[in-house]
Amino acid sequence: GDSVTQMEGPVTLSEEAFLTINCTYTATGYPSLFWYVQYPGEGLQLLLKATKADDKGSNKGFEATYRKETTSFHLEKGSVQVSDSAVYFCALVHNTGTASKLTFGTGTRLQVTL
Amino acid sequence: DGGITQSPKYLFRKEGQNVTLSCEQNLNHDAMYWYRQDPGQGLRLIYYSQIVNDFQKGDIAEGYSVSREKKESFPLTVTSAQKNPTAFYLCASSTGTSYGYTFGSGTRLTVV
Repeated sequence: GDSVTQMEGPVTLSEEAFLTINCTYTATGYPSLFWYVQYPGEGLQLLLKATKADDKGSNKGFEATYRKETTSFHLEKGSVQVSDSAVYFCALVHNTGTASKLTFGTGTRLQVTL
Repeated sequence: DGGITQSPKYLFRKEGQNVTLSCEQNLNHDAMYWYRQDPGQGLRLIYYSQIVNDFQKGDIAEGYSVSREKKESFPLTVTSAQKNPTAFYLCASSTGTSYGYTFGSGTRLTVV
């Protein structure tokens, strides 16, 4: 079955540091890939997405490129801020109808300090 | 503004009691989902529904029940058969797979 593997956290960075959170997946065909962010005590918010190979999703300075050859969708940001502290989830879904189920990774906690 | 509303935000119940968590959306989405999140863990799918009056079990449906009588509403009942119900519960909806999900803000259930 489908699976998503994320790097273990927490990831602790100083403000303005470069961020990479690794995500690799196992799935048949060509799933759509997503990054979600969860702030403390809240639900998940869609951060960015990519629906086909070589697509780059981007939002709020975050980027991720859909790499079919390495089955990866790593999240990057050039300069993190304290306000980016949150848990980040990588996820995938097959484009097979209205109610396809997202498969989530276990999440990576990011802590950004001054 | 369109969105998903979960209520209440915090819920306390005694062991052995059934409890119902509310989820309402005004996004006109066909599909709705319930996930459970435990500390330091990812999300696990409890139930999902594609259309009114139809729903399917997810990966951890035992001890839970749902209904989908209206497109906008997808309440989750945590029954006394659920052995470890204390968790953070998230409701989501979607209009198509390539758009991902829209999530509610969650309900934190504590059973004492």
